[in-house]
Amino acid sequence: DQQVKQNSPSLSVQEGRISILNCDYTNSMFDYFLWYKKYPAEGPTFLISISSIKDKNEDGRFTVFLNKSAKHLSLHIVPSQPGDSAVYFCAARGQGGSEKLVFGKGTKLTVNP
Amino acid sequence: AAGVIQSPRHLIKEKRETATLKCYPIPRHDTVYWYQQGPGQDPQFLISFYEKMQSDKGSIPDRFSAQQFSDYHSELNMSSLELGDSALYFCASSPRTWGPSGGTQYFGPGTRLLVL
Repeated sequence: DQQVKQNSPSLSVQEGRISILNCDYTNSMFDYFLWYKKYPAEGPTFLISISSIKDKNEDGRFTVFLNKSAKHLSLHIVPSQPGDSAVYFCAARGQGGSEKLVFGKGTKLTVNP
Repeated sequence: AAGVIQSPRHLIKEKRETATLKCYPIPRHDTVYWYQQGPGQDPQFLISFYEKMQSDKGSIPDRFSAQQFSDYHSELNMSSLELGDSALYFCASSPRTWGPSGGTQYFGPGTRLLVL
């Protein structure tokens, strides 16, 4: 049972445009959400996070939006750059008080020059 | 900035052998987590430690054990290795921060284990 879902396995955008990566979750106990970027053969790199008491968090080109009623969050990258090409994982924490992260399957983003 | 260090980066073992993976957390991080990522899969939580005590347990096989030492580094011990144990093993660390704004986990580069 996948509690964190990233329904788009891949996304391709043009350099300079906006990239929007989506994530849905089923467990309302999650209290903290994170986005990680991952290159092949490397560990996930933390990008940005948001707690369940907020609906938006911004850091430079990256903005995460949280819609609790829809159990949906999204990562916006503006403007997209070729170096952003990687697999992006959505993760959630807090199920039953646990600190473990539950990951989605990931979305492979390709930013074309 | 210092990051999480994992060793070895690559490991090849035969079936039924044992393996030990090491993790050195970011300085002043007292919580360590272990994850396993199979090919084409998302990382799956195995186990975590806070102040040398097991704090949470996930889908870790009984053949695996782990501990955290006084210097906060952690070791994952894997025995009776099976072909299905071939995967990337990530360690992550975080400072112990409760509440909605803390607890970001920072990942190491991973150890790629291949069981033949």
